[in-house]
Amino acid sequence: DAGVTQSPTHLIKTRGQQVTLRCSPKSGHDTVSWYQQALGQGPQFIFQYYEEEERQRGNFPDRFSGHQFPNYSSELNVNALLLGDSALYLCASRRSGKTEAFFGQGTRLTVV
Amino acid sequence: TQLLEQSPQFLSIQEGENLTVYCNSSSVFSSLQWYRQEPGEGPVLLVTVVTGGEVKKLKRLTFQFGDARKDSSLHITAAQPGDTGLYLCAGAQPDSSYKLIFGSGTRLLVRP
Repeated sequence: DAGVTQSPTHLIKTRGQQVTLRCSPKSGHDTVSWYQQALGQGPQFIFQYYEEEERQRGNFPDRFSGHQFPNYSSELNVNALLLGDSALYLCASRRSGKTEAFFGQGTRLTVV
Repeated sequence: TQLLEQSPQFLSIQEGENLTVYCNSSSVFSSLQWYRQEPGEGPVLLVTVVTGGEVKKLKRLTFQFGDARKDSSLHITAAQPGDTGLYLCAGAQPDSSYKLIFGSGTRLLVRP
């Protein structure tokens, strides 16, 4: 049983560019959340998707957007990249109604 | 705004010693999860505690959820070098989103 998988694992982008990160949830999970983890800090909630809709959003600007597909996989898009967007981006999945969340290995984004 | 304060931030101990990590908040959570994270990787779920006062054991690790479901502790007995890592506590928001609020983490180094 594959766990949560994310792609790519590493990415380098130039300031002002746009990026798309991808996540496949653990089998049987239908809810996907995205987190940003800056160096030396705990993960910060970006948003959550369930039934292909954004259900809750953290304190992140509209440059951060997402999508969930019918197979429950998800994408995180970030437009107009800033140097401060450099971080480890984590995807977590869970079964609706359950609190346990399982994380992928993350995508390390570096903005230069 | 819900916050989780985790202490200590850094702990360096000798192999065989015991240690306790604390996670405190003024907010009530529906559950609390403990994760361990290696550099450059995603957090790995260790345990989920749901009921106030609940105690769970995972080999040499003992996790406790406070009676009021606002705080938690992680106790490691006879620490080993393999326990080295970043330990994160995360409280699940008490609504249907179960959004996770993370502490800033405790970086543990166990010296042989």
